[in-house]
Amino acid sequence: AQTVTQSQPEMSVQEAETVTLSCTYDTSESDYYLFWYKQPPSRQMILVIRQEAYKQQNATENRFSVNFQKAAKSFSLKISDSQLGDAAMYFCAYRRGYGGSQGNLIFGKGTKLSVKP
Amino acid sequence: DAGVTQSPTHLIKTRGQQVTLRCSPKSGHDTVSWYQQALGQGPQFIFQYYEEEERQRGNFPDRFSGHQFPNYSSELNVNALLLGDSALYLCASSLGQGLSGYTFGSGTRLTVV
Repeated sequence: AQTVTQSQPEMSVQEAETVTLSCTYDTSESDYYLFWYKQPPSRQMILVIRQEAYKQQNATENRFSVNFQKAAKSFSLKISDSQLGDAAMYFCAYRRGYGGSQGNLIFGKGTKLSVKP
Repeated sequence: DAGVTQSPTHLIKTRGQQVTLRCSPKSGHDTVSWYQQALGQGPQFIFQYYEEEERQRGNFPDRFSGHQFPNYSSELNVNALLLGDSALYLCASSLGQGLSGYTFGSGTRLTVV
């Protein structure tokens, strides 16, 4: 069974600084997708960034980027120029690749990010 | 652009009762998934509906059941509520397999007393 581990229950960053959130996963499959979701106090899960396992290039979305190390099964999220609005719970999630009936997301336990002004 | 809408936002039920939660998917999406998020935990997959049928199910008892309507909206039903069913229930919609990601609603906070 696939598992997702986020080893940092809480992280803190100064506004305008950079922070990296860690995520490791365990799978025997070669085709899969990885996601980072943000959950602010409004409770809605918001997709931050998505990575396809067969792509070597790390995904980037504005101030958000990932460091995807497939061999190490590591998928960290880097937030640059942190803003107060980035404060939230961040969840790393795994999904099997296309063709599998197991299309659900498997989530880690989350990392609570605080941003200090 | 209407996102995922869930109702109600909060609900308090007594142990042993039954509850129905509702979800309207994002416009253009045809697949609905339900997740249970206990306090301080990541969401856990309950089941997924596509073409009005349950396509996939997580490790949840039969007390949890669902339905998808022709307009793609969905309901989650929980019978014989237990205190441990208290959680945030999230609905997520996608187009097909959801390889591009899922759009989540803001959830229904269920409290069982």
